[in-house]
Amino acid sequence: DVKVTQSSRYLVKRTGEKVFLECVQDMDHENMFWYRQDPGLGLRLIYFSYDVKMKEKGDIPEGYSVSREKKERFSLILESASTNQTSMYLCASSPGATSEEKLFFGSGTQLSVL
Amino acid sequence: AQSVTQPDIHITVSEGASLELRCNYSYGATPYLFWYVQSPGQGLQLLLKYFSGDTLVQGIKGFEAEFKRSQSSFNLRKPSVHWSDAAEYFCAVGGGSYIPTFGRGTSLIVHP
Repeated sequence: DVKVTQSSRYLVKRTGEKVFLECVQDMDHENMFWYRQDPGLGLRLIYFSYDVKMKEKGDIPEGYSVSREKKERFSLILESASTNQTSMYLCASSPGATSEEKLFFGSGTQLSVL
Repeated sequence: AQSVTQPDIHITVSEGASLELRCNYSYGATPYLFWYVQSPGQGLQLLLKYFSGDTLVQGIKGFEAEFKRSQSSFNLRKPSVHWSDAAEYFCAVGGGSYIPTFGRGTSLIVHP
């Protein structure tokens, strides 16, 4: 079965810190995604990548960047963490080149910025 | 642009009762439609999906959904809810791009 692993389940950081959220998938999927989940707002797409070293902005990319140096790993970077970035972050991957493919999700990282 | 509306933020049902969660979508062509479930502390898991063909789709855990083009809806149903069904449910629509759009979610509360 496909496994999407997020390195931390809970993370507490201070305002202004640089934060790295790591995600690894083990099924050679082409596409990887970072979502942010907030109560009442559902899932909002931050960035996605459809190939190594390729990235595209999603709906809310401000304050974030990403890195995909290897196919299996997709990192989300908060350059200077702020309190409004306190949220649940979900990583996902999918195998195909079309949106008919289902997404495989990690368990999420709950980030608190103090 | 595609969009999804889940009009109910919370739904409360008694265990054993039937369930229907509403989902309306906006998309210019034939959509790809999904229902995902998120149990507490977990990521999202696919319940079912619709691409074409039979408009009544069967999924895991006894769930089904019906695609109604005339109403732009894809409602999720279950005839008898179990306490373990308490979770957050997300409807999503996909299309020509790689990226499905998710609704805001419906939180299901199950009373014993």
